[in-house]
Amino acid sequence: ETGVTQSPTHLIKTRGQQVTLRCSSQSGHNTVSWYQQALGQGPQFIFQYYREEENGRGNFPPRFSGLQFPNYSSELNVNALELDDSALYLCASSLRDKETQYFGPGTRLLVL
Amino acid sequence: AQRVTQPEKLLSVFKGAPVELKCNYSYSGSPELFWYVQYSRQRLQLLLRHISRESIKGFTADLNKGETSFHLKKPFAQEEDSAMYYCALPSYGGSQGNLIFGKGTKLSVKP
Repeated sequence: ETGVTQSPTHLIKTRGQQVTLRCSSQSGHNTVSWYQQALGQGPQFIFQYYREEENGRGNFPPRFSGLQFPNYSSELNVNALELDDSALYLCASSLRDKETQYFGPGTRLLVL
Repeated sequence: AQRVTQPEKLLSVFKGAPVELKCNYSYSGSPELFWYVQYSRQRLQLLLRHISRESIKGFTADLNKGETSFHLKKPFAQEEDSAMYYCALPSYGGSQGNLIFGKGTKLSVKP
């Protein structure tokens, strides 16, 4: 069984740029959730994808968008980066009818 | 609004001492609650969930609806228990995958 993987591990961008983060879900999982974890905080829900459709969204602006592909891997896109977007971005996958989420190692984004 | 509160940022105990990590939640129904743990340089992983009623690595957590608490306990702490611990609650009314996390408590177990 393959766990959740994320790429890249680290990323440095400047304000105003765009970034794409990638996530491969655990084998057999069809639901992917993305979280933002700022320094010293718990993870905050961004959105969830289930079978390629957005299935819930947290309190994040539209410049945070995502995709899920037929193989259930997912992307998180952030446009017009701001300094406050600097954080660890976590991807978690789960079976649709279960709430246990399995997390990836995260992508650490630094916006300068 | 649903909320999870972990009042202690840092908890430091000696090896062999009992440990209790506090978690309070705000939700009027019957919630399912989780404890996640993150060891140094490892990913966030599920430690235990309320519905399972099991003991993992010697940790237990009991849901107290009257006090809206889900404290994590272990009678004898070990050095390998040192980690960040997060309490989490599903966002009812939203997508099932939406977990609301507390800010976390860093447990440090000294030799």
